[in-house]
Amino acid sequence: GAVVSQHPSWVICKSGTSVKIECRSLDFQATTMFWYRQFPKQSLMLMATSNEGSKATYEQGVEKDKFLINHASLTLSTLTVTSAHPEDSSFYICSARAGDEQFFGPGTRLTVL
Amino acid sequence: GEDVEQSLFLSVREGDSSVINCTYTDSSSTYLYWYKQEPGAGLQLLTYIFSNMDMKQDQRLTVLLNKKDKHLSLRIADTQTGDSAIYFCAESIESSYKLIFGSGTRLLVRP
Repeated sequence: GAVVSQHPSWVICKSGTSVKIECRSLDFQATTMFWYRQFPKQSLMLMATSNEGSKATYEQGVEKDKFLINHASLTLSTLTVTSAHPEDSSFYICSARAGDEQFFGPGTRLTVL
Repeated sequence: GEDVEQSLFLSVREGDSSVINCTYTDSSSTYLYWYKQEPGAGLQLLTYIFSNMDMKQDQRLTVLLNKKDKHLSLRIADTQTGDSAIYFCAESIESSYKLIFGSGTRLLVRP
């Protein structure tokens, strides 16, 4: 089956630093990847849609200058949280579209001190 | 706007059937999905149904869709302790492939 990986699986950083999270589709090519955010005991909220070779489309209320998305190839999308603050601490999950299905990565837990 | 709602919690005894319900608002949804999330993990796609279908069965899982009432359900037969997890329903928004998730239902299976 289709496998999506994320790296790192968890990261702790100091306030004010930037953190990059990678999302890879391992055995298929994904023209579209999605980035979600999940707070504890809550649902997933779509942050942005990442299309290979073009700018990401951000959902309302998501700061594009804070959450930088790059979809450089058909198998890799990156999310960079710039100047992270404690309120950015969350579980970040990516998904990659294959036809009509979306396959999710295992998630990255970000803790900002 | 789009909205997907689920009950928050369900407790069943091992061996019984579980039924998790979901309602959605967007009548243009093309696909409806059920995902399973175990603690600290990502989402696992369990099954999905096309919006012009009313039922889909896959081993222990049965999905029922009432498009008129915008109601979706997931039935798990012979529920096992390993089925304990959070179950999310999601609808895909036509042509954009964006998924709108429900709040999740925490299923607890008692021995």
